[in-house]
Amino acid sequence: EDQVTQSPEALRLQEGESSSLNCSYTVSGLRGLFWYRQDPGKGPEFLFTLYSAGEEKEKERLKATLTKKESFLHITAPKPEDSATYLCAVQPFMDSNYQLIWGAGTKLIIKP
Amino acid sequence: NAGVTQTPKFRVLKTGQSMTLLCAQDMNHEYMYWYRQDPGMGLRLIHYSVGEGTTAKGEVPDGYNVSRLKKQNFLLGLESAAPSQTSVYFCASSDNRGSYEQYFGPGTRLTVT
Repeated sequence: EDQVTQSPEALRLQEGESSSLNCSYTVSGLRGLFWYRQDPGKGPEFLFTLYSAGEEKEKERLKATLTKKESFLHITAPKPEDSATYLCAVQPFMDSNYQLIWGAGTKLIIKP
Repeated sequence: NAGVTQTPKFRVLKTGQSMTLLCAQDMNHEYMYWYRQDPGMGLRLIHYSVGEGTTAKGEVPDGYNVSRLKKQNFLLGLESAAPSQTSVYFCASSDNRGSYEQYFGPGTRLTVT
């Protein structure tokens, strides 16, 4: 069964304290892995798409990496405005309708 | 571009009442989706559409109906609301060429009493 698991469920960091969020997945074949950011009361906001193992993408203080089993979202020197829930989703290669399988998210809290 | 918009933003229903949620996108996307999001759970797909005039069931379709009469609009209907349908509903759309990432609306918070 295709599945996505995110860990930890919640992460509290001090401003400037770097860390990583994990997204592990099991799919028969991966078309793409997606990272989203969701602020309270808002819809998910697209961050990155990763397609193959070894690929990396960066945006400001965020860097996403991909292996054959998992993806990491590295946050370098975070600021309070980086506080949000980060969602991971995978798109199985065999799904012709491009549906996504979602993880439950990691709630990130950055204290000033 | 407004992207994906949803109306209404909030709604309170009594058990047994009906309502329709409207989603509109101005990105000329072929694919549209309706999700629900509940605390501690990932987004769950209710119904989706791969083009104007077509709809299909997702993971949790029971109690919901959808229609896509125009490419830019995707409607979600609740015929007889139940307390279990209390949730936040998100609409999303995606292109069917190239990157496939989904773009989301701001959500509708629905409470059924």
